[in-house]
Amino acid sequence: KAGVTQTPRYLIKTRGQQVTLSCSPISGHRSVSWYQQTPGQGLQFLFEYFSETQRNKGNFPGRFSGRQFSNSRSEMNVSTLELGDSALYLCASSSGRGNSYNEQFFGPGTRLTVL
Amino acid sequence: TQLLEQSPQFLSIQEGENLTVYCNSSSVFSSLQWYRQEPGEGPVLLVTVVTGGEVKKLKRLTFQFGDARKDSSLHITAAQPGDTGLYLCAGLPNRRFGAGTRLTVKP
Repeated sequence: KAGVTQTPRYLIKTRGQQVTLSCSPISGHRSVSWYQQTPGQGLQFLFEYFSETQRNKGNFPGRFSGRQFSNSRSEMNVSTLELGDSALYLCASSSGRGNSYNEQFFGPGTRLTVL
Repeated sequence: TQLLEQSPQFLSIQEGENLTVYCNSSSVFSSLQWYRQEPGEGPVLLVTVVTGGEVKKLKRLTFQFGDARKDSSLHITAAQPGDTGLYLCAGLPNRRFGAGTRLTVKP
């Protein structure tokens, strides 16, 4: 069974640009969550999608948005990039059913650098 | 917002030593998860603790959930270089993560 895949693995952008990151969950998983990981703030929850609907949202500005497609693949978009957006962006998938501590499987992440 | 504090932030020890890392909060969690993350990879779930006072063992790793479900500890016996990584705790149901403990085990 293939794991969670994220593309691209590395990305360099300049301030003011926008970026789209992609995540393909494990086959059969309907929940996809996105996290931002930085040395200073640790792992912070961005949002979760389940069956194409945003189910939970963290405390990030509106520049951060996402969507999920009918095949459960998800994309995350960041507009008007700032230097502070440089981070590792992780995607995690789970079945999304039942109790909240269903195991999440993380992808390797996309390393975004904003210059 | 449920804030999780992990300590120590960094830990460097020799192979064979024992260690304990902590995850503390002022909030009560329904359950708590521990993950390990290695360089270039995403976190991998080690364990979920659900009941206050619960103790779970995974080979040389022992996880304990506090009686009040506000804190947890991870104890590693006879650490090995393969234990090197970033150890993260996450409180549920909101899956809010701590900043992690970066463990280095030297051969």
